[in-house]
Amino acid sequence: RKEVEQDPGPFNVPEGATVAFNCTYSNSASQSFFWYRQDCRKEPKLLMSVYSSGNEDGRFTAQLNRASQYISLLIRDSKLSDSATYLCVVTGGFKTIFGAGTRLFVKA
Amino acid sequence: GAGVSQTPSNKVTEKGKYVELRCDPISGHTALYWYRQSLGQGPEFLIYFQGTGAADDSGLPNDRFFAVRPEGSVSTLKIQRTERGDSAVYLCASSLGWGETQYFGPGTRLLVL
Repeated sequence: RKEVEQDPGPFNVPEGATVAFNCTYSNSASQSFFWYRQDCRKEPKLLMSVYSSGNEDGRFTAQLNRASQYISLLIRDSKLSDSATYLCVVTGGFKTIFGAGTRLFVKA
Repeated sequence: GAGVSQTPSNKVTEKGKYVELRCDPISGHTALYWYRQSLGQGPEFLIYFQGTGAADDSGLPNDRFFAVRPEGSVSTLKIQRTERGDSAVYLCASSLGWGETQYFGPGTRLLVL
């Protein structure tokens, strides 16, 4: 079993749609959780950190469920510019583990 | 200010050769990370430095891979006797400290022929 697993994707959605990304992790001792965004042939960039209390940044909402070892990202009113790969990231010990990523295509 | 920089941006080498990949972190960042990313995959953790020392090198695939950070700033990833399977994008990231936001460099695309 992979340490961090994400929906395989890709997701193809129209502009304005709401899209949800799911991620599970296997190490119950994991300490920090993030969503990164990666554009084609570019480096990953932090989208947002994820907390048990949930956090929201504009159209983006992230949630962590430690009991279920589950992380989610919700994008509302999706834009063409949201097209990218979304990477779930978990840290534990001194390792940072990335999921394989879920590719999102937003179409006009 | 300046972000993380990596050189070279592209490297083509022949099987069996030795390569060095360089990473210049953001000034003041004590934590530095190396990752390897293959097509269609997320970045794969290789090694984490806190200051000059490797706090976790468990991701290095074998003893052909070695990384140093002698002065706690610039880091070099060294690959001996390269193999075709080493072809990938090698990413470096830095952060203020462990658990803080990681800022990535643009990567070095390594192709082993």
